[in-house]
Amino acid sequence: GQQLNQSPQSMFIQEGEDVSMNCTSSSIFNTWLWYKQDPGEGPVLLIALYKAGELTSNGRLTAQFGITRKDSFLNISASIPSDVGIYFCAGQLQGGSQGNLIFGKGTKLSVKP
Amino acid sequence: DAGITQSPRHKVTETGTPVTLRCHQTENHRYMYWYRQDPGHGLRLIHYSYGVKDTDKGEVSDGYSVSRSKTEDFLLTLESATSSQTSVYFCAISDGFSGGYEQYFGPGTRLTVT
Repeated sequence: GQQLNQSPQSMFIQEGEDVSMNCTSSSIFNTWLWYKQDPGEGPVLLIALYKAGELTSNGRLTAQFGITRKDSFLNISASIPSDVGIYFCAGQLQGGSQGNLIFGKGTKLSVKP
Repeated sequence: DAGITQSPRHKVTETGTPVTLRCHQTENHRYMYWYRQDPGHGLRLIHYSYGVKDTDKGEVSDGYSVSRSKTEDFLLTLESATSSQTSVYFCAISDGFSGGYEQYFGPGTRLTVT
């Protein structure tokens, strides 16, 4: 099936640092969504993107829909301990079934020891 | 938070027994989805529904069936549970209109098949 390559797989953050992660594919997407999942809970929608080049913010989070429509980026500025968790990208393929999303495998954010 | 509940939240069952998981929504959303989440695989779509009695298969539908007799309820059934179906199961909903593809997830059901 179609795949989204999400990177990095994991990263350690120190409070106050900026964080970047991305999702790429060889296919074109109409929609990009970014979710966060805390342990033992369901994913929570953070940001939705619908147009190529779109840049959208949600507090300290900023996400971009890549110009080629094959990638998306998420940045977290001035990280805080509660940013720890797993972040997933998800995309709706151009020509794909209505509402069917493809998910990346996640980026795990942990606190630097 | 979207009004989505899943029951049970945890279940341990034996191989070969039938299991039904329930997803209930209070948002009147048209689309409902069942996913499983496993380490190394992320979220994978099992089945989805685009209306009452309208369902279709996802990426990993073998061994699972679904039913939707009311807008608010979407049931996932494992006819004869196997150890490979040990997983965390998430239900999601979407209204299909606001942008179209935003899905909101329930809290999950952790299923262990022994």
